[in-house]
Amino acid sequence: DARVTQTPRHKVTEMGQEVTMRCQPILGHNTVFWYRQTMMQGLELLAYFRNRAPLDDSGMPKDRFSAEMPDATLATLKIQPSEPRDSAVYFCASGLLRGTAGANVLTFGAGSRLTVL
Amino acid sequence: GEDVEQSLFLSVREGDSSVINCTYTDSSSTYLYWYKQEPGAGLQLLTYIFSNMDMKQDQRLTVLLNKKDKHLSLRIADTQTGDSAIYFCAESPDGSGNTGKLIFGQGTTLQVKP
Repeated sequence: DARVTQTPRHKVTEMGQEVTMRCQPILGHNTVFWYRQTMMQGLELLAYFRNRAPLDDSGMPKDRFSAEMPDATLATLKIQPSEPRDSAVYFCASGLLRGTAGANVLTFGAGSRLTVL
Repeated sequence: GEDVEQSLFLSVREGDSSVINCTYTDSSSTYLYWYKQEPGAGLQLLTYIFSNMDMKQDQRLTVLLNKKDKHLSLRIADTQTGDSAIYFCAESPDGSGNTGKLIFGQGTTLQVKP
């Protein structure tokens, strides 16, 4: 049963510390997305990749967030320095996009719950 | 612009039907989606509908699409306590080419009372 794996599942850190969240997408999927979920804002799209190339990261605060895909099996989301307002659940999702036709079915990981004190 | 709106909360009794509503703004969305999120878990695809359809049925789930009004609904027949979760409506804005991204609503929390 193919799944998207995220680590860590939970992270508590102090303001100012660097946080790195990792995602292993489903093998063969060509798109990877990072979403952030909070009570106030709901699900926000932070960044996404297609064939490892960043397509759009306009949803991300550029001064402190960065997203990369060093290889096809790993996507990372880094926050440096972290702030209390970054506390949220961060989801990675992957999908197989076939040209301009077909539904965009995304498979989500279980999420990384981040608490910044 | 891209925006998806849902009511935040719905409470029903076990055995009743649940209807969760959603409105979206992007008329270029080729597909519209319903995802379910159980506590402590990620989102899971429930069903989706192609924009040239007005109804899709899958066992206890019925999706209705009114493209003119940009209104989508999810009906769950014979709602069970295991259906308690957050339900997200999503559009796939692809006016600039199919990017694969999904824009989600705020989610509707469905509470099923025994």
